[in-house]
Amino acid sequence: GAVVSQHPSRVICKSGTSVKIECRSLDFQATTMFWYRQFPKQSLMLMATSNEGSKATYEQGVEKDKFLINHASLTLSTLTVTSAHPEDSSFYICSARDPLGGLTDTQYFGPGTRLTVL
Amino acid sequence: QKEVEQDPGPLSVPEGAIVSLNCTYSNSAFQYFMWYRQYSRKGPELLMYTYSSGNKEDGRFTAQVDKSSKYISLFIRDSQPSDSATYLCAMSYGQNFVFGPGTRLSVLP
Repeated sequence: GAVVSQHPSRVICKSGTSVKIECRSLDFQATTMFWYRQFPKQSLMLMATSNEGSKATYEQGVEKDKFLINHASLTLSTLTVTSAHPEDSSFYICSARDPLGGLTDTQYFGPGTRLTVL
Repeated sequence: QKEVEQDPGPLSVPEGAIVSLNCTYSNSAFQYFMWYRQYSRKGPELLMYTYSSGNKEDGRFTAQVDKSSKYISLFIRDSQPSDSATYLCAMSYGQNFVFGPGTRLSVLP
């Protein structure tokens, strides 16, 4: 299946700093990528949908100025958590959509980034 | 009513048991159906995807879709401790992609 990578896998930072997370589709071009966050033992929560070359679409309740998303190429999307605070500590996961010949349409996930804000 | 419902578990079974994981949905527009497996602190991994009603088998895993009842299932035969994970169903049509909340499965040796 398609491979999606995320970097870094884990980051610990001080409160008030900004953290950038990269999501790459390694063997396919992803016009659409998604960013999720997941708290322990809870389901995925979609934060935003990122389309290459255009502004991201944020879910209700997600601050777009807090979580900056850039999808500058067909293989790379970045999520920047600005002025991070302890409540931003979470598991952030990206995924990329891979339409396969128009017959199927599914998402492939990255391994996730665990953010801890002290 | 939520768009996709899934029993959150946790579900505990002995090694070798047959596991049945289920999701129901309300929107008949869904066309593609997927099952993901997520190990703790890892991203979800696509296990199976199906398009039409019926069964699809892959090794110990069988995905079943019943569009008339809006019901999908994932069966795991001869379950192993390594199958212990959270299983999420997902379904899509067009630009819409919806996940179930996930079922936590523990297979006890």
